[in-house]
Parts: sequence; structure tokens; C-alpha cells
Amino acid sequence: AQKVTQAQTEISVVEKEDVTLDCVYETRDTTYYLFWYKQPPSGELVFLIRRNSFDEQNEISGRYSWNFQKSTSSFNFTITASQVVDSAVYFCALSEGNGGSQGNLIFGKGTKLSVKP
Amino acid sequence: DSGVTQTPKHLITATGQRVTLRCSPRSGDLSVYWYQQSLDQGLQFLIQYYNGEERAKGNILERFSAQQFPDLHSELNLSSLELGDSALYFCASSVGIVSGTDTQYFGPGTRLTVL
Repeated sequence: AQKVTQAQTEISVVEKEDVTLDCVYETRDTTYYLFWYKQPPSGELVFLIRRNSFDEQNEISGRYSWNFQKSTSSFNFTITASQVVDSAVYFCALSEGNGGSQGNLIFGKGTKLSVKP
Repeated sequence: DSGVTQTPKHLITATGQRVTLRCSPRSGDLSVYWYQQSLDQGLQFLIQYYNGEERAKGNILERFSAQQFPDLHSELNLSSLELGDSALYFCASSVGIVSGTDTQYFGPGTRLTVL
């Protein structure tokens, strides 16, 4: 069965600190997709990144970076030099590649990040 | 702005009532997904439609139903409402039929409060 675990329920940092949000997933499929979404206090879900299971290259986008390691079934998200605007709940999600009956997004419980000035 | 629209933004109703939530996907997207976000259950997939046809079902109650119309907008109908149905309901859309191969973009959500 598919499962996404975000062990960190809440993290609080001070502005300019680096912070890593952990995501561990479980799936039996060899083809799957991993996602990160951000939910700011306003409530909408904002797409951040999508990564397929065959691409283990790390990705950097500005202050955001993602570390995908199949060996540990992890897809961790790092924010460098955090800012108050980064305060939000961050969700990691998994989807199977074959689009079967369960081929939709399975979300973790989310990590609430608070960045204090 | 994801391009996915949802109406209404807020909905307050009483137990036993029926409501309809509406979603318009991004231009060009054929798949529409509905998710429920509650404090105890988190974000859960309810149902997917692709080009008017039901494609996949998740944890959707029998009191809930959905459909996708020829213009690709979708409606989620919730009936015999209970207090526990209070939640944030999201609609998402994507281009294709297989949820993982392309990205789901989410609407702003409809916050349903059942009193």
C-alpha cells in the first residue's frame, strides 16, 4: 500500500535559518511520482515540485532544494535562508505511475513551518 | 493563481441539508479531482473524472456524488450533511488521465461548515 510519512508535525525557525522538511514514502511500484505542495495561511494548495521515480537528480529552485533518495525512500525539502513568507504547511504527496484505482495523490499529514522574524 | 476556480468560497449550512460545490478546471485540463481536507483525516482523495467519465474513486461516502459536465466543469454534491462533513473541499485539475504523469493544480477550496 502507498503511504507518505512526514514525521515533523511542526517546525519553528528564525528568519535566515535553513530548514529541512522530511518526507518518507512507501510504494510497491517501480514507477511513481512525488510532489511537494505548500498551503499558506490563506488556505490554497500551491504546487512546488514534481519528481518521477527514475530521476534521482537533486533539484534547486532559488532558495528551495529537494533531495530524492530511492535507497532510503525519502524526498526531503530544504529551504535556505528562510523568510517569514515561507510560513505555511508543507505537504509531500505520492502517486503511482500506472494510474490505477489508487493512482491519485496520497498526501502526508503535513509539516507546519513557522518562520519568526 | 492556479487557473482552477471553485465556488462558493465559504458555505454554512445545517445538518441534514444538501449542498453543491462547483469547480472549473484549468483551460485544456480534462481531469478533475476532488479532495477533502479535515483536521482528523488530513487531505483525502474523493473522486476523479476524466472528460466526463468517472475514472477513480477514493474515500467518498455514499451520501456524496459528483459529475463532470460536457464543458468539463464539475460539481460535488453532498447530501444528508453531518457535523463531521465540515471540511475544506478542494478541486484539482490536470491535463491527462493518469494522475502521476502530470501535475494536479488545486483550486482555492470551498470551506463547508455544517452547524
